[in-house]
Amino acid sequence: TQLLEQSPQFLSIQEGENLTVYCNSSSVFSSLQWYRQEPGEGPVLLVTVVTGGEVKKLKRLTFQFGDARKDSSLHITAAQPGDTGLYLCAGPVNQAGTALIFGKGTTLSVSS
Amino acid sequence: DTAVSQTPKYLVTQMGNDKSIKCEQNLGHDTMYWYKQDSKKFLKIMFSYNNKELIINETVPNRFSPKSPDKAHLNLHINSLELGDSAVYFCASSNSRQGYNEQFFGPGTRLTVL
Repeated sequence: TQLLEQSPQFLSIQEGENLTVYCNSSSVFSSLQWYRQEPGEGPVLLVTVVTGGEVKKLKRLTFQFGDARKDSSLHITAAQPGDTGLYLCAGPVNQAGTALIFGKGTTLSVSS
Repeated sequence: DTAVSQTPKYLVTQMGNDKSIKCEQNLGHDTMYWYKQDSKKFLKIMFSYNNKELIINETVPNRFSPKSPDKAHLNLHINSLELGDSAVYFCASSNSRQGYNEQFFGPGTRLTVL
């Protein structure tokens, strides 16, 4: 059974701090996606990583895909209150490749 | 322009009732989904439709019946609602022929069963 484990589950930090969120699995994924969900809204795609070892940057957010394609991380530099939200990693379900399996998410709160 | 829309946004109903949630996407995508997000924010796939055909049907009670009248619409009908059905239901869509099935989600329907 495919599982994605995210840590930490909750993170509360001050504006300007750096943080890293982890997404781990015992299964190999052909790709992983990261989403951010704000209260009362649906998840919004941030990035897709597809190659082992790949690093992608989105302004202050840096995403990395593990060499073995079993894990990924999200690093935020100088967090801002606008970064507050639920961060979800997701990967394709088995061979169907269409629907996604999600991690349980990391709830980030950044206070000013 | 709204890409993926759902109605209603909120749904409060009694146990045993039947209710429907509607979803429409204007992105021209060929695949649509229903996900359920529980009180702990865990998001789980329920159904996946590709070109109006059911592709994925996870372990979901048969009280839940999706219907796709065309590629742009995927509705969810729930019979005999139970307390445990209370959750937020998200519709999503993707283009299976491009990219990595990145999903576009609707705003969600918060269902409360009393």
